[in-house]
This record gives sequence, structure tokens and C-alpha cells, in this order.
Amino acid sequence: QITLKESGPTLVKPTQTLTLTCTFSGFSLNTSGVGVGWIRQPPGKALECLALIYWNDEETHNPSLKNRLTINKDTSRMQVVLKLANLDPADTATYYCVYDETSAFHYWGQGTLVTVSS
Amino acid sequence: QSALTQPASVSGSPGQSITISCTGTSSDIGLYNYVSWYQQHPGRAPKLIIYDVSHRPSGVSDRFSGSKSGNTASLTISGLQAEDEADYYCTSYSTSSTFVFGTGTKVTVL
Repeated sequence: QITLKESGPTLVKPTQTLTLTCTFSGFSLNTSGVGVGWIRQPPGKALECLALIYWNDEETHNPSLKNRLTINKDTSRMQVVLKLANLDPADTATYYCVYDETSAFHYWGQGTLVTVSS
Repeated sequence: QSALTQPASVSGSPGQSITISCTGTSSDIGLYNYVSWYQQHPGRAPKLIIYDVSHRPSGVSDRFSGSKSGNTASLTISGLQAEDEADYYCTSYSTSSTFVFGTGTKVTVL
């Protein structure tokens, strides 16, 4: 059974860096074709893909956020960590961790709401 | 990268069929068969219902079907049921080496 769970702060201040951790189980990030990443959804708005990291260390990044985003994996700890720098209130959103196989997001975490406010 | 374009809302009566369009460009939907669709009920995480344009994951009702023509993908829900009332999002891989989502469609069952 594949599960993913997001953890991190729920309230961060503008200009700070957000660090979110996805802890997963039920699969290995060493398996060919598998990726884990992050998608966010501002309140009442559409989904937005942020970044993904794959079994072969390849990464994808949202071009509009690329300079602010880093994604890393720790295969042995079964975790993927997202960092988003220089936060703005517009970054307030629910952040989802996702499992990618065949270029589709087959499994999602429950999501974590992050509010950016001073 | 621009979001894929979906109608803001679509409605239908129980038992009817509805179709949601998702319009992109030759850099995303028109180029790749990596189109997927997600259903999201209020307060819940999205759920994959179609991948690779027309494939259904195990456990997803066969009332959901997907297709693509040129730069436009479509999701059809047949035999509309009350439980289908939700938001629906399309997504496609793109030449910007990432995934672009649609603007989202609210489905209402009358």
C-alpha cells in the first residue's frame, strides 16, 4: 500500500524559506520510472505543479519558481524534501506530496496548509 | 508556461453524459500523450481518474473516459451520478520539462 505524508510548518513569515518533508512508504524511489514531487493549491484556486524528483536523480521544476525551489531525496529514509525560498503571501496554499509513475500522479498525500503571513 | 484551459463549470442531470474539454498547445497536449485527469471533492486531495489520455487506474468507474484530438483533451462522464459532483483538473507534460495543470472545472449534478 502506497502512502505519502507531508510535514512542515503551518505558518511562515514573508521572505523566509519553507521546508516541507514528504515521508512515503509502499515503494522505493530506486525503482525505475518512479518519482515523488510536490503540487500546491492556493485556497479556491487551481492546482500547480512545483517540482518532482525521479529514481535516476532527474528533476523537473516549475519554470516560474525555479530560482526559488530546491528538491532533494533521501532514498534510505524514504523522504523527499522541498525548499521554497523568499516566501510571499501568494505562496499560501495546500501543499501535496505526490507519487508519479507513467507521468501521472497516482497517489497523493492528504496535503498540508501553509499560510504565509507576518 | 500557461495553464491549460477548461470550462469553469459543467452541469448535467443524473444519468446524462457530460464532457469536459481541456485545451492546450502544440507544446503540451498536442505533443505528448501524458494527459491525465483528477477528481477533487471539497476538502479532499485530488484523485487520479484517467492517465495517458485514456487509461483508467484500477478501481475507477468505467463511466469515466478520456480522449484527445490535436491540442484538446476531453473527459466524458457517462451516467452522471450525484457522487460525481466535484472539481475536475486536467494536466499534461510540456516542453518546459514540467507538468501544466488546467484551470479546473466544477461539475454540478442537477
